[in-house]
Amino acid sequence: KAGVTQTPRYLIKTRGQQVTLSCSPISGHRSVSWYQQTPGQGLQFLFEYFSETQRNKGNFPGRFSGRQFSNSRSEMNVSTLELGDSALYLCASSLGESYNEQFFGPGTRLTVL
Amino acid sequence: KNQVEQSPQSLIILEGKNCTLQCNYTVSPFSNLRWYKQDTGRGPVSLTIMTFSENTKSNGRYTATLDADTKQSSLHITASQLSDSASYICVVSARSNFGNEKLTFGTGTRLTIIP
Repeated sequence: KAGVTQTPRYLIKTRGQQVTLSCSPISGHRSVSWYQQTPGQGLQFLFEYFSETQRNKGNFPGRFSGRQFSNSRSEMNVSTLELGDSALYLCASSLGESYNEQFFGPGTRLTVL
Repeated sequence: KNQVEQSPQSLIILEGKNCTLQCNYTVSPFSNLRWYKQDTGRGPVSLTIMTFSENTKSNGRYTATLDADTKQSSLHITASQLSDSASYICVVSARSNFGNEKLTFGTGTRLTIIP
């Protein structure tokens, strides 16, 4: 079974631009969660989607948004990029029920110049 | 405020030795606690998941313990190998009134195994 895939793996943008990241979950998984990881803050939860609906949301500004499609694939969008948005963005998928193990993708390394 | 604190921040040990990583949490209402291993440049990989009623769980050379009364967990690594060099992240889940889960992440322990 294929694992979680994320595209692109690396991205360089400039301040003020916007970016869209993509995540394909493991086949059969209905939940997709997004995380931001920086050296100083560790992993921080952005949001979770389950069956095309946002089920959970972290404490990030409205510039960060996401969506999930009917095939469970998910996209994350960041508008008006800031230098502080440089980070590793991780996507994780699970079956969607409590205690289900989350499987992480390799991440997208975003650098904002 | 829900918090997860891990110690030590970093640890260096000789190959073949054992080590224990600590995780203290103030998360309520507690649902489950997870340990992840993250190799450099890769996404985290789940090692164990423990609920309130479980106080120990093993995955090969990794053994996690949970004391829900003191809100402490530990991850013990036996007979360390060079491939154990990674960051180990403790994650605690709280169940909200709406039935969904909120995860709080520790900042991790960076473990380096030297030959």
